[in-house]
Amino acid sequence: NAGVTQTPKFRILKIGQSMTLQCTQDMNHNYMYWYRQDPGMGLKLIYYSVGAGITDKGEVPNGYNVSRSTTEDFPLRLELAAPSQTSVYFCASSQPERGGLGTQYFGPGTRLLVL
Amino acid sequence: AQTVTQSQPEMSVQEAETVTLSCTYDTSESDYYLFWYKQPPSRQMILVIRQEAYKQQNATENRFSVNFQKAAKSFSLKISDSQLGDAAMYFCAYRSAYNNNDMRFGAGTRLTVKP
Repeated sequence: NAGVTQTPKFRILKIGQSMTLQCTQDMNHNYMYWYRQDPGMGLKLIYYSVGAGITDKGEVPNGYNVSRSTTEDFPLRLELAAPSQTSVYFCASSQPERGGLGTQYFGPGTRLLVL
Repeated sequence: AQTVTQSQPEMSVQEAETVTLSCTYDTSESDYYLFWYKQPPSRQMILVIRQEAYKQQNATENRFSVNFQKAAKSFSLKISDSQLGDAAMYFCAYRSAYNNNDMRFGAGTRLTVKP
C-alpha cells in the first residue's frame, strides 16, 4: 500500500491564480481530511469528508473548495490564490475503529508559495 | 473550543538519554483521544503513540511512553534511549470522542538529538 499520496510536492502560484492539490489514498478509508500548517504552528483543519459525495467545513475553510467523487480521491481547490494561503498542506485519511480511535494517516504534504 | 498547548518550542537530548516532551490541553469533554505525532524533515506526519481518555493505563510503544494525567489535563511523551532518528518536530493532538473529524494540534516541539 502506498498509503496517502499528494501531488505536487511544491508549487509557486501568483496571486489570483487557481490550482488543485491532489490527494489519493489506497487504504479504502471512508474519512479524508485537508489540513494546513503555517510556519511554527500546528495543523488546522480546512475540510473533511466522511465518504464519497459528503464533505464539510473544518476550522479554516475560507478560500478553499473540495469534492469527493470517489472513496480514493479528495482534491482541494484554491480558486483565487492569496499570500495568506502560503502554507504546507497535508491530506489525511482514517477509518472508524471500534472505540472510535480512527487514527489519521497523513500524506507527505504539499508546500505552496503564493507570491 | 478545545486547545492544545506545547510549552517547549525546542528541546535537546543526548543520544541514549531520556527526554520528556510536555503537552497540556483544555476541554470540558469527558471522552476524547490524545495523540503524539512525529514530523521529520520529510514533513510527513507519523503517528507515535495514542491514548484513550477512558483508559487509566498509560500507553507504551517500545521506547515511547506517555504520562497521562486526566485531572491535570496533561499528556507528556517520554522518549527513552534517544536515537539520532528521533530528531524531529513532535506534535501533540486532541480529538473529541463526540466529533471524530475535529483534531486539534499543538504548535509542536522541535527535538534535537546530540551524538
